[in-house]
Amino acid sequence: AQSVTQLDSHVSVSEGTPVLLRCNYSSSYSPSLFWYVQHPNKGLQLLLKYTSAATLVKGINGFEAEFKKSETSFHLTKPSAHMSDAAEYFCVVSVNFGNEKLTFGTGTRLTIIP
Amino acid sequence: GAVVSQHPSRVICKSGTSVKIECRSLDFQATTMFWYRQFPKKSLMLMATSNEGSKATYEQGVEKDKFLINHASLTLSTLTVTSAHPEDSSFYICSARLAAVGDYDDNEQFFGPGTRLTVL
Repeated sequence: AQSVTQLDSHVSVSEGTPVLLRCNYSSSYSPSLFWYVQHPNKGLQLLLKYTSAATLVKGINGFEAEFKKSETSFHLTKPSAHMSDAAEYFCVVSVNFGNEKLTFGTGTRLTIIP
Repeated sequence: GAVVSQHPSRVICKSGTSVKIECRSLDFQATTMFWYRQFPKKSLMLMATSNEGSKATYEQGVEKDKFLINHASLTLSTLTVTSAHPEDSSFYICSARLAAVGDYDDNEQFFGPGTRLTVL
């Protein structure tokens, strides 16, 4: 079985300050981990993914995440928030071995304060 | 590239009627498409996996006779909500997986913008 827990349902940061969105996972096997972003009226967009290569993963729009097996975490960070980062963010886990099913966290709404 | 569209984006229907939602991969072929349901302030829940030319695989607890899925071509999958009831009101999202390895990871899913269904 696999699951993800997003520790914060809502995060607010001021523009220009760092962003931290927290995610913990549970998986019986080596997981693939993803962060997706959902803007209103738009499809989910892949920000970055971890698939057992480098533990520090860089994604689009300046986001990055670090896979920490000892902490079963995959937190998403960005050094400086931009107004356009306001959206819903989902941490997602998938188990390999031909299983492409994605298990989504409950999401974190990121609000950027001008 | 790798764009997935859904139609309609919004639909309102009366209780007891059926509604069809289309999911299209616009610039690639998708052997596998997925249908998700998203409740307000909730996560996406996988409903079924649709493979081109074969029957869909439904997740536990999803009624296959109520949510009919047809994946007739490599670029189109449809979800039909039959005899819709107010509790079926939700946001339905599809995703598509590339048929072959190319510029993209062959396991990456590309998501449509979703369809908001409201049943009165």
